[in-house]
Amino acid sequence: GESVGLHLPTLSVQEGDNSIINCAYSNSASDYFIWYKQESGKGPQFIIDIRSNMDKRQGQRVTVLLNKTVKHLSLQIAATQPGDSAVYFCAEMYSGGGADGLTFGKGTHLIIQP
Amino acid sequence: EPEVTQTPSHQVTQMGQEVILRCVPISNHLYFYWYRQILGQKVEFLVSFYNNEISEKSEIFDDQFSVERPDGSNFTLKIRSTKLEDSAMYFCASSGRFSNQPQHFGDGTRLSIL
Repeated sequence: GESVGLHLPTLSVQEGDNSIINCAYSNSASDYFIWYKQESGKGPQFIIDIRSNMDKRQGQRVTVLLNKTVKHLSLQIAATQPGDSAVYFCAEMYSGGGADGLTFGKGTHLIIQP
Repeated sequence: EPEVTQTPSHQVTQMGQEVILRCVPISNHLYFYWYRQILGQKVEFLVSFYNNEISEKSEIFDDQFSVERPDGSNFTLKIRSTKLEDSAMYFCASSGRFSNQPQHFGDGTRLSIL
């Protein structure tokens, strides 16, 4: 389950392995979803997005899966590298309301073991 | 690659003082946002700005906060009378011609209230 405050969920994987980071979103009206990567001392960095009319989207080494029935989002990273170590956030929004802000999840700390 | 830039990177201010955080969004973007992140916690939406006016704001964005686009390139967040609990990282973000496009973040300003 997710944690609050300083205690982020942590996922530790071996370099070269695949990793899957999961996210449960809250608003059934949300129709646009983004995964961000945040390294220490930096702002969130865009990885990949998906709209609600899709259930899968692939990028370079990353795949996002969307299950609207259970309000679940996942990020798969293939062949992880040391540079993938970071905190990963999912974010959701309803795009029909104008310039709405993103609602972020609490984050997962991905650690790549050499 | 174009990026969002924020200044200063770190601002230390006495409680009760006014502070202005500055951002230069990506040049052809039309939607601008401010978020904050308290240490170790998730990123929280403050306000969005489009067509020279506030589009949406969260409960956090009370009367102590204001935003301005004083010229064609800058976007500022002002906190009128800072409180201890305003200590956080403040991130500026921008997105392109439509609101449901990826929001790109700057590396933030760390605000420390003494």
